[in-house]
Amino acid sequence: NAGVTQTPKFQVLKTGQSMTLQCAQDMNHEYMSWYRQDPGMGLRLIHYSVGAGITDQGEVPNGYNVSRSTTEDFPLRLLSAAPSQTSVYFCASSRRTGWTEAFFGQGTRLTVV
Amino acid sequence: KQEVTQIPAALSVPEGENLVLNCSFTDSAIYNLQWFRQDPGKGLTSLLLIQSSQREQTSGRLNASLDKSSGRSTLYIAASQPGDSATYLCAVATGNQFYFGTGTSLTVIP
Repeated sequence: NAGVTQTPKFQVLKTGQSMTLQCAQDMNHEYMSWYRQDPGMGLRLIHYSVGAGITDQGEVPNGYNVSRSTTEDFPLRLLSAAPSQTSVYFCASSRRTGWTEAFFGQGTRLTVV
Repeated sequence: KQEVTQIPAALSVPEGENLVLNCSFTDSAIYNLQWFRQDPGKGLTSLLLIQSSQREQTSGRLNASLDKSSGRSTLYIAASQPGDSATYLCAVATGNQFYFGTGTSLTVIP
């Protein structure tokens, strides 16, 4: 049982480059979300989705784009990477909104130089 | 905006000791509160989920309580073990968002 799978685990980007962080879950969960974790600031919500075709912004959406074409996948796109986007990114899913138990991926450590 | 605070930020205890981690939140209009464990370089693992209508949840040596009206939750760990060393995060669900505290880093000394 894979749960929530994130790829890649590590990535180094140059300022201005774009990339996509992948997230997939095999639990048929409706709700998926992306967080970033920075020292001393906890996890902050970037974007979330309550089902295929439906996405919305979280607390820190600027510089990121998402789409949800299938229930299983929820990729996060960095449009033009900036050093301020250096962080650890986590994808999470849960069965429905109102937050039943949340399952997290192992994270992607991104460094923008 | 919901603010979640965890105290202490770090805790070091000898093996076998019982301990309490604290979590407070500013807005009592929550769906639920969840405690997570995070090991270095890893993702988050759910430990306990307390719905807003519940007062406590137990799993093995862990017991979490919720006092929604006062905006507080505690995670009680009985008979701590070195394997319990990790960062413990609490998070409250409000609307479609989960708000996280910054965590308590626990070290259990053998």
